[in-house]
Amino acid sequence: DAGITQSPRHKVTETGTPVTLRCHQTENHRYMYWYRQDPGHGLRLIHYSYGVKDTDKGEVSDGYSVSRSKTEDFLLTLESATSSQTSVYFCAISEQVSNTGELFFGEGSRLTVL
Amino acid sequence: QKEVEQNSGPLSVPEGAIASLNCTYSDRGSQSFFWYRQYSGKSPELIMSIYSNGDKEDGRFTAQLNKASQYVSLLIRDSQPSDSATYLCAVSGRAGNMLTFGGGTRLMVKP
Repeated sequence: DAGITQSPRHKVTETGTPVTLRCHQTENHRYMYWYRQDPGHGLRLIHYSYGVKDTDKGEVSDGYSVSRSKTEDFLLTLESATSSQTSVYFCAISEQVSNTGELFFGEGSRLTVL
Repeated sequence: QKEVEQNSGPLSVPEGAIASLNCTYSDRGSQSFFWYRQYSGKSPELIMSIYSNGDKEDGRFTAQLNKASQYVSLLIRDSQPSDSATYLCAVSGRAGNMLTFGGGTRLMVKP
């Protein structure tokens, strides 16, 4: 199994509070991604990173920010959580850009915003 | 209109039958196509990739790509109950080199 760890795995929070999800990899892969998965929508890309301090937006980036200060860590922050951000969040990594190589996914972080 | 469309299912097949999963996409410039399998409560895992028109076989799995008709399919021969999962189609889309996923098709293989 690819060495990807997400934390926390489960979190319940209230509307308006900040939330940070962490993704840690031990594979030294260049690319890291944050997806959210909701019923009927499949996996949607929030943000991705192609190197330390190099990040870009995905299709559903509003309300989210990311940071990557080290190769192995990619943080996803919800500055002020809303109920619409209740979802399962998956971190993924790839050695090559995602349209040419395999994505390896973490176990997911289930976030509930009350 | 979603860029990658899949029937959500569930698709129910008896054990030993062929399961056929379909996916259509809107971007004619798409170059890369993947099938990921996701068991309930687990993370997705890659099972097939295909880049050119035609068929690609790997064990019991066959991926089929028809770029002219903009569809990609996955055939699972001799379906087993352990194949019961959600199958996600992923296509390289307009947003740079990033993949766009379909909503997934839930497959149920009944003993």
